[in-house]
Amino acid sequence: DAGVIQSPRHEVTEMGQEVTLRCKPISGHDYLFWYRQTMMRGLELLIYFNNNVPIDDSGMPEDRFSAKMPNASFSTLKIQPSEPRDSAVYFCASSPRGLRGRHTYNEQFFGPGTRLTVL
Amino acid sequence: RKEVEQDPGPFNVPEGATVAFNCTYSNSASQSFFWYRQDCRKEPKLLMSVYSSGNEDGRFTAQLNRASQYISLLIRDSKLSDSATYLCVVAMDSSYKLIFGSGTRLLVRP
Repeated sequence: DAGVIQSPRHEVTEMGQEVTLRCKPISGHDYLFWYRQTMMRGLELLIYFNNNVPIDDSGMPEDRFSAKMPNASFSTLKIQPSEPRDSAVYFCASSPRGLRGRHTYNEQFFGPGTRLTVL
Repeated sequence: RKEVEQDPGPFNVPEGATVAFNCTYSNSASQSFFWYRQDCRKEPKLLMSVYSSGNEDGRFTAQLNRASQYISLLIRDSKLSDSATYLCVVAMDSSYKLIFGSGTRLLVRP
């Protein structure tokens, strides 16, 4: 079975350019998450969706960041304009709907990540 | 203060050793607890959930102390393949929002 798919795997761009990261969650998963990981700040949740609707975007750093989920099988994270401090690994994760009785009801399955470098 | 705190390590141990990691969390209302594993330049993957009664999965044992807001992971008979970063993870409520610690790095040497 295919896991979470992210593209591109690597992106190098210049400051001021627009960057679009893409994610395809695992089929049937109701939740989709975008994370950013850096050495200094670790793994931070940026935003998450339930059934394509944004639920919590409190982790989005600023207005330069936006995320969309037009359908159940696709999401994008856009940075416009990009800055050197945006350099990080961006992970997408998805999670199935779970019942309270299930021990791992909110296990998240991560994609391989997009390594972004902004020069 | 960070919501989830871990000793970054690295813990450098020989094969066969027993090693323990600790983690503290700041929000007493936290409801769910996990350990994730992350290999170098790879994505995090769930290792195990942590239950109040403690739980074991093969060589791995996880413990939760709600009174002290403390989580632990014990690895027995360490293997070279256990070398990775171990992330302590807390869910603050019944939502799906997870808070990750910065991770503890483990190096198992031959």
